[in-house]
This record gives sequence, structure tokens and C-alpha cells, in this order.
Amino acid sequence: DGGITQSPKYLFRKEGQNVTLSCEQNLNHDAMYWYRQDPGQGLRLIYYSQIVNDFQKGDIAEGYSVSREKKESFPLTVTSAQKNPTAFYLCASSIGGTGFTDTQYFGPGTRLTVL
Amino acid sequence: AQSVTQLGSHVSVSEGALVLLRCNYSSSVPPYLFWYVQYPNQGLQLLLKYTSAATLVKGINGFEAEFKKSETSFHLTKPSAHMSDAAEYFCAVTRLNQAGTALIFGKGTTLSVSS
Repeated sequence: DGGITQSPKYLFRKEGQNVTLSCEQNLNHDAMYWYRQDPGQGLRLIYYSQIVNDFQKGDIAEGYSVSREKKESFPLTVTSAQKNPTAFYLCASSIGGTGFTDTQYFGPGTRLTVL
Repeated sequence: AQSVTQLGSHVSVSEGALVLLRCNYSSSVPPYLFWYVQYPNQGLQLLLKYTSAATLVKGINGFEAEFKKSETSFHLTKPSAHMSDAAEYFCAVTRLNQAGTALIFGKGTTLSVSS
């Protein structure tokens, strides 16, 4: 079955550590996205990528980094510069291009907790 | 710039009652609008989307939404609530100031259904 997988489901980070969240899709989509979800705040865009080897900052990119070396993969690194990283992180993908009505498909999410 | 406002962070209904979740948008150009549903600790699933083809949009699980330009609204309704409808619902609009299909989300409305 086609879909988006995120791993791990739960992740615990100590102060000062960098951690990487995995996102893989087998939908053959060009575009991929990372959102952060906090209670009562909705989803906020961290980074997005329209094509391999290209990505852009979203609204809250500070303290995060990404790479897009393969079409299927869009890992997110939460660096020690992110002062409040505890949140639910959602990865999504869509067909891509300039299709403004394209549906975004979401992964099951990773819950990150700072100890 | 586009934005989305969801009125009411929490809505409670009885099983069998009408469900009405409110969404108002702000956009200087014709918007593309979406409703997503999220069950606890899961990713988001598309309920329906407005693509300008028809103002009344039917989605999955008996939900529908009507686009009203004069009221800048895209409210989600379901004639008869079911216990399984209890979830968090998000209204979203496509960002139109950049290439691609990144979304701007409202803060969400939690729907509770009592028996």
C-alpha cells in the first residue's frame, strides 16, 4: 500500500542534543512538508520541498534543518538551537508542481519530548 | 496574505444531532479550502476540499461544506452526528504567495459526541 511512514512514533531528547525524525513516502510525490503541532495552535509549517535537492523555510524554521537527497525521503533534524522542541511533528506529501488544489497526505506523526 | 479562523475550539453535540463547525477565511484572491480530520495521536485525513468547481462540496463520512464568498466562510456540516465523529477538525487554505501547495491551518475544533 502507498503511504507515508514516520519514525520513530515517540522520541525523547535530552537538552543540547540534535535528533532526526524520519519521513518516507512511496506515493511518487514531488512535494513534501514538515509541520509542527502544539495543543490549541493548529499546524505550523517548518520546511517544505517541491523537488529533490531543493527546500524552503516555512513559518517556524529556526532551530530545524532538513535535506532532500531522494524523492522518497525528507528527514527533519531538530537541533539544540530549537528552545522548545516538545511537540507533535507531522510530515506530509503531495503530487507537487503548482497544483493549488492538490491534496496533502499525512504521516502518522512523531511525538518529541524533551527531558 | 491568506488566513483561516475557526470559531469555537470545542463543540459538543449529542449523537444524531446536527454538526456545524465554523471556518472563516481571509484571502485577497479566490481561495482553495480544505477540511481535515485528526483522530487522537494520528495524522490528518482529508474530509473534503473546495476547488471552485462547486460551492457545495461533499466529502467522506457524510460531511459537506458550503463555500460562501459573501460571508468568507466554509463551514463544515453533518446532518446526524455519530460517536465515531469525535475528533479534531482543521480548516486550511492554500498559500498563494509562493509556488506549491503548502497550507495555512486554523487552530482546530475538537468535536465531542455524547450518547
